[in-house]
Amino acid sequence: DTEVTQTPKHLVMGMTNKKSLKCEQHMGHRAMYWYKQKAKKPPELMFVYSYEKLSINESVPSRFSPECPNSSLLNLHLHALQPEDSALYLCASSQSGLAGGGRDTQYFGPGTRLTVL
Amino acid sequence: DAKTTQPPSMDCAEGRAANLPCNHSTISGNEYVYWYRQIHSQGPQYIIHGLKNNETNEMASLIITEDRKSSTLILPHATLRDTAVYYCIVVPIIQGAQKLVFGQGTRLTINP
Repeated sequence: DTEVTQTPKHLVMGMTNKKSLKCEQHMGHRAMYWYKQKAKKPPELMFVYSYEKLSINESVPSRFSPECPNSSLLNLHLHALQPEDSALYLCASSQSGLAGGGRDTQYFGPGTRLTVL
Repeated sequence: DAKTTQPPSMDCAEGRAANLPCNHSTISGNEYVYWYRQIHSQGPQYIIHGLKNNETNEMASLIITEDRKSSTLILPHATLRDTAVYYCIVVPIIQGAQKLVFGQGTRLTINP
């Protein structure tokens, strides 16, 4: 199974709502990632978890709150978002660990398309 | 910032080889060259990676120049399903999680 699943596929939320995006993988990968992709732009890294610990936060606003409850799950909690946060949110996973980042392959999910009204 | 330069768009006829160039003139000895692609409305997909030697897998071939300052991704028999944005990314050899910095990529269109 080389699949990364993301739910929901689409999400529409108001600026005062609280919602969560979910990502799951069962490949035994120990690194998980959140990316944000605006229309017609490349993906941009937001967060990296390695062995369930946050290892990289690319100066993301606190209205985005990641959580890694176990090695298979990654959540992104959303609160008080702005319309400019509307984007495709991609989750990825990789084996990481002792293999070394240079030989690590990331597997991406299909993304959650978020619209903030 | 992305450390690669790619043409913004390319066209290729179906059944022909698609050759996608990438310039990475500032690459250092401890950095790999990775290629991913993103088909419309899907997540990026890993294609191939290499350090110094040419590499081939079931999807593509990667040719890296001897000075490592540029590379070419070759899709030997392009099909309509290969229409996508192709990203060339340099990645440092480090332990732990990998940080991918995507550039603008090349939008490859395969024409029937």
